[in-house]
Amino acid sequence: QVQLVQSGAEMKKPGASVKVSCKTSGYIFSGSYIHWLRQAPGQGLEWMGWVTPSRGDTFYAQKFQGRVTMTTDAAIRTVYMELSGLRSDDTAVYYCARDRSSGWYAGLRDNWFDPWGQGTLVTVSS
Amino acid sequence: QSVLTQPPSVSASPGQRVTISCSGSSSNIGRNYVYWYQQFPATAPKLLIYRNNQRPSGVPERFTASKSDTSASLAITGLRSEDEADYYCAAWDESLTTVLLFGGGTKLTVL
Repeated sequence: QVQLVQSGAEMKKPGASVKVSCKTSGYIFSGSYIHWLRQAPGQGLEWMGWVTPSRGDTFYAQKFQGRVTMTTDAAIRTVYMELSGLRSDDTAVYYCARDRSSGWYAGLRDNWFDPWGQGTLVTVSS
Repeated sequence: QSVLTQPPSVSASPGQRVTISCSGSSSNIGRNYVYWYQQFPATAPKLLIYRNNQRPSGVPERFTASKSDTSASLAITGLRSEDEADYYCAAWDESLTTVLLFGGGTKLTVL
């Protein structure tokens, strides 16, 4: 079955960077975008951007541009999300998710996520 | 940036029907698809609805969704205790920037 397995929890100091990995299995790696989202404690979901596993094309939410980098390693079917300049409000559970759509349907943007990784808690504290 | 507005909480008894609303604007729901996710505590979200009203395989028919103008809603019929969870709507927004927006989430309590 399709699985996305993320790396373990991280604790970082303000100003540092964190790199979270998402290892995929059970489907054609090049066939699906991977998205990254996050959820601060007790809060809702926030979309960060996507990466195409085959070519490494990216599209980031403006909020994160300049701080986030999403990359892939097709040889090991793994996608990475690196966030720099960490602040306390970056404390959150970070999720990767497989996009089941091709990105467009009937002329409209179309992205729906199934499955999601199990999540990686990143804590930013001095 | 625009927002998607959901009620913080809804509640109903087992067997009843409950609806969760998601209010947006012409730059998001008004022109793009709506998606719904279900999330249990300390677990990753699960896809419930895609493209406004489509159910992925495995999602019970008790879950239905609709969209009208700049609002959307999720309906759950024959409510069960295991439906108690947080529910999120999502839609692309193309106002100032292009971003996939999520509603603030609705906590469903089964009484």
